[in-house]
Amino acid sequence: DVKVTQSSRYLVKRTGEKVFLECVQDMDHENMFWYRQDPGLGLRLIYFSYDVKMKEKGDIPEGYSVSREKKERFSLILESASTNQTSMYLCASSHHVGSRSYNEQFFGPGTRLTVL
Amino acid sequence: DAKTTQPTSMDCAEGRAANLPCNHSTISGNEYVYWYRQIHSQGPQYIIHGLKNNETNEMASLIITEDRKSSTLILPHATLRDTAVYYCIVRVVTGGGADGLTFGKGTHLIIQP
Repeated sequence: DVKVTQSSRYLVKRTGEKVFLECVQDMDHENMFWYRQDPGLGLRLIYFSYDVKMKEKGDIPEGYSVSREKKERFSLILESASTNQTSMYLCASSHHVGSRSYNEQFFGPGTRLTVL
Repeated sequence: DAKTTQPTSMDCAEGRAANLPCNHSTISGNEYVYWYRQIHSQGPQYIIHGLKNNETNEMASLIITEDRKSSTLILPHATLRDTAVYYCIVRVVTGGGADGLTFGKGTHLIIQP
């Protein structure tokens, strides 16, 4: 089975702290994603990566950065945490496929981050 | 990605088949229908996908109408652990699949004992 793991299930940080969220997948997937999920706003894409050291902005990249030094690991960084970044953070991965075909994303369990 | 419409919530008795409908009347010819679900406080889980033929896997069956404007996800013998929010999405994969998913509000399926 595909396994996507995230470093913490719950995290509490203070405003202004630098926060690292780690994600690891064990299925040799090329694509990795970071989302946040908030009530009433659904799932929103923050950043994604289609290869090592490659990254692309999603819909809401402001206040975040990412790092992908190894294929299996994709890190989300909050440079200076703010209260409006309190959310559920979800990591996902998928295989690289040709265009106009299907592919499914596999999600980790999520990290519920609270910024005080 | 085309828009989908799903009922907000549904109940189903344990052991019975749960049939979850989804309308996607503006789907285009190369868009797939995907179903995901999210159990409370967990990450979304892929269930099944299809293009135009009916599909079945170990988790569920997917019935797509001939005009592809709607589909039904069937959980054949629902258990309490199937209580979750179920999301129907339609999408065409571009750029090698490195594109984000967009979930609507989904259907909250509640399995009653």
